[in-house]
Amino acid sequence: IAGITQAPTSQILAAGRRMTLRCTQDMRHNAMYWYRQDLGLGLRLIHYSNTAGTTGKGEVPDGYSVSRANTDDFPLTLASAVPSQTSVYFCASSPVDAGELFFGEGSRLTVL
Amino acid sequence: GQNIDQPTEMTATEGAIVQINCTYQTSGFNGLFWYQQHAGEAPTFLSYNVLDGLEEKGRFSSFLSRSKGYSYLLLKELQMKDSASYLCAVKDSNYQLIWGAGTKLIIKP
Repeated sequence: IAGITQAPTSQILAAGRRMTLRCTQDMRHNAMYWYRQDLGLGLRLIHYSNTAGTTGKGEVPDGYSVSRANTDDFPLTLASAVPSQTSVYFCASSPVDAGELFFGEGSRLTVL
Repeated sequence: GQNIDQPTEMTATEGAIVQINCTYQTSGFNGLFWYQQHAGEAPTFLSYNVLDGLEEKGRFSSFLSRSKGYSYLLLKELQMKDSASYLCAVKDSNYQLIWGAGTKLIIKP
């Protein structure tokens, strides 16, 4: 079934550790996004990519980095995790910039 | 600043109708989305409005008034499976999506 795959689905991480959340889509969508979702807040954009080879900063980019080496993959890296990065992370894609979004199932990250 | 307002929580009865409101103040407007999100799951697309008026899709309808900065999602013939959070999002002048915090809808038998 076509869609977006995120890994891991859940992870507990010690503060200060490096972590990469993986995201792969097979719909050949140009645009990809990373959001975090916290209780009581709307989805907040971390980083985005409008096409392979380009990335941009969203609303809350600090402490996170991304790369877009090809159309399908868009990993999110936390260089040195902090407890405030405890959240549910969603990867999403769309066929055009800011069109309808298709979401992955989410990665629940707990930083202790 | 940019702001999307939705009620935090609503309760309705199975078989009834419920209207979830969304008001927005954004730098520009290029469309409004509604998404449904069941607990512990990913958001899924429900509707998109870019022009004023009502868009109907089965039991769900979405209305937009750009002059009032207002939208609503209307759910008819409520079913227990409609218990979920409903997210309103606006595409601003930079074509970035601004998200509301979501409305948790509780359906009672």
